[in-house]
Amino acid sequence: DSGVTQTPKHLITATGQRVTLRCSPRSGDLSVYWYQQSLDQGLQFLIQYYNGEERAKGNILERFSAQQFPDLHSELNLSSLELGDSALYFCASSGQGTDTQYFGPGTRLTVL
Amino acid sequence: AQSVTQLGSHVSVSEGALVLLRCNYSSSVPPYLFWYVQYPNQGLQLLLKYTSAATLVKGINGFEAEFKKSETSFHLTKPSAHMSDAAEYFCAVSESGGSNYKLTFGKGTLLTVNP
Repeated sequence: DSGVTQTPKHLITATGQRVTLRCSPRSGDLSVYWYQQSLDQGLQFLIQYYNGEERAKGNILERFSAQQFPDLHSELNLSSLELGDSALYFCASSGQGTDTQYFGPGTRLTVL
Repeated sequence: AQSVTQLGSHVSVSEGALVLLRCNYSSSVPPYLFWYVQYPNQGLQLLLKYTSAATLVKGINGFEAEFKKSETSFHLTKPSAHMSDAAEYFCAVSESGGSNYKLTFGKGTLLTVNP
């Protein structure tokens, strides 16, 4: 158990819908990272937040957005969903000034 | 820009045999390098990491990796495979010296261990 929690574990929805994925980092970790794992693209970095502020962006679509709240949990919002958005979405967290990221169990999103 | 290439999407070994998973990286600055393991239907677990302290890095479950700057490689080895090692392994790189440690992953190598 990494200490990073993600909910829900599975999510099934239809095209055009909007979903929210939730992540709670390890206790004390200020950084949260979001990654997408798909068969086509592999593991890709989406976005990073540090203590409530966006720190870096990767290959994140405009239909996707994220935020980190004062209690440091983070949410990834995916809207206007397409079939190709079906993937595993991982959250990871790391402590201040450290490079090691600890991953949550992931949320498996299926878009029908 | 940084990138990672994992040679061999699938490696099959016999139980007790040497495990060698290959990783080559590209980075414009001194890299931090990582190996993660993913068991079926689970998240990623850190096996080991290189952050310039020592070129030979020991990790969990008997795995180790050697950083070779001249070859831009960070291959993962284990002397004797166990059935429980069957999983997918990912090599990743991040850039040192910044405040953003985003990881760039290779495409993964699926390790099969035969009895």
